[in-house]
Amino acid sequence: GAGVSQSPRYKVAKRGQDVALRCDPISGHVSLFWYQQALGQGPEFLTYFQNEAQLDKSGLPSDRFFAERPEGSVSTLKIQRTQQEDSAVYLCASRPSIGQNIQYFGAGTRLSVL
Amino acid sequence: GENVEQHPSTLSVQEGDSAVIKCTYSDSASNYFPWYKQELGKRPQLIIDIRSNVGEKKDQRIAVTLNKTAKHFSLHITETQPEDSAVYFCAASQPGGSYIPTFGRGTSLIVHP
Repeated sequence: GAGVSQSPRYKVAKRGQDVALRCDPISGHVSLFWYQQALGQGPEFLTYFQNEAQLDKSGLPSDRFFAERPEGSVSTLKIQRTQQEDSAVYLCASRPSIGQNIQYFGAGTRLSVL
Repeated sequence: GENVEQHPSTLSVQEGDSAVIKCTYSDSASNYFPWYKQELGKRPQLIIDIRSNVGEKKDQRIAVTLNKTAKHFSLHITETQPEDSAVYFCAASQPGGSYIPTFGRGTSLIVHP
C-alpha cells in the first residue's frame, strides 16, 4: 500500500549505542511529524517538518535526539548515546498539506535500550 | 501549552453495550479534535474527528460530541463488537500551519463477547 512506512519495526540497542530510525511518508505529503510513545501513554510530539525545513523541534527531549529530512521526503530520527529511558515506540506521521488537520501514522519503531 | 486529560484509562463492556470515553482540554484556542484507534502493535488510525464549529458528529456506530464552553469532548460507540477492542486516543490541536495535536493518555477498551 501507499501508507507511511517505518523501519526497522524493532530495534534493540545497548546503552550508549547510536540508532537511526527511518520514516517514508506518503508520497507528496508536505508535513511530517515524529512522536515518542511510551508504554501505556499517548504519543508525545518530538518534531515537525514542512518539506525539508524543521519548523518545530521543541519536543526533542535532549540534544542526543536529532532529526532530518534533507530532500523533503524520507526522514531519519537519530538518537545518540541511547539511554534506557529512550525505550519507547517512535511514531512517524505525515499530512498532505499545510493547514490540513488529518495525520496518517506509520506503525512505529519499537526501540528497546538494554 | 495544551493539556488533554482522558478518562477512563480502562473500559470493559459486554458486546452490544455502549461505550463512552471522555476528554477535557485546557486551551480554549483548540479547534480540532480527532479520535484515534490503535490496535496492539499497529498504527493509530483516525476513526472520527470534530471541529469546534459543530457540536456533534456521527459515523455509523461512532459519534463524537463537543462542549466548547466546558472544554470537553466525548467518543460514543454503540452496539460494541469484539473488534472494537483497542486503545482509543483523543487529541486536541490549535489553528495554525502546524496543527500539532496533544494526545490524551489513551483508553483501553475491552469488549467481551
